Amino acid sequence: DIQMTQSPASLSASLGETVSIECLASEGISNDLAWYQQKSGKSPQLLIYAASRLQDGVPSRFSGSGSGTRYSLKISGMQPEDEADYFCQQSYKYPPTFGGGTKLELK
Amino acid sequence: EVQLKESGPGLVQPSQTLSLTCTVSGFSLTDYSVHWVRQPPGKGLEWMGVMWSGGSTAYNSALKSRLSISRDTSKSQVFLKMNSLQTEDTAIYYCTRESRYYGYSYNWFAYWGQGTLVTVSS
Repeated sequence: DIQMTQSPASLSASLGETVSIECLASEGISNDLAWYQQKSGKSPQLLIYAASRLQDGVPSRFSGSGSGTRYSLKISGMQPEDEADYFCQQSYKYPPTFGGGTKLELK
Repeated sequence: EVQLKESGPGLVQPSQTLSLTCTVSGFSLTDYSVHWVRQPPGKGLEWMGVMWSGGSTAYNSALKSRLSISRDTSKSQVFLKMNSLQTEDTAIYYCTRESRYYGYSYNWFAYWGQGTLVTVSS
């Protein structure tokens, strides 16, 4: 199975600060990567697919980038509603696998 | 509107079998695949298996010996059965649907059910 290593496990950001979360795949996944946001007590919500494409309805302050084995999610200007857990997921090979998650808190 | 909703028992005894139902609306099970994903409390997400639109299935190898997924297309329902439950199977169980972009299917999940918490305890 492809292992997805996500970092950091947690971080704290001030209002308006730019935040980055990284995801490292154990092998190349050809941009077949998604990012999810999960707020407390809720189901995951798809933010980014194909490494850099913004899902409909997601604010433009969210962006994704990367290639090969390294990918990142950037939030340009932390907002209170961005406080959540974030997960990456590869769908390049079966089984789909997720990163361990990043807990983002507002400082 | 696409909707998925999980249902099933909240409490299962150790060594017993878990049975969950995912009832969908807004799309046909013969057009889209439905996946099961679980999440232990406070932990990450684990893909469990899929019911493909064509009726075949695929499972996570770590669960394959205990897991079965089936469906009733007339009722728009997908079923999950997992036997020999242990405390480590305590989790929120989600059903979710594949995504389609420009006519191609992808295993990115834009639609999720609300999840159902299953606790394994005597």
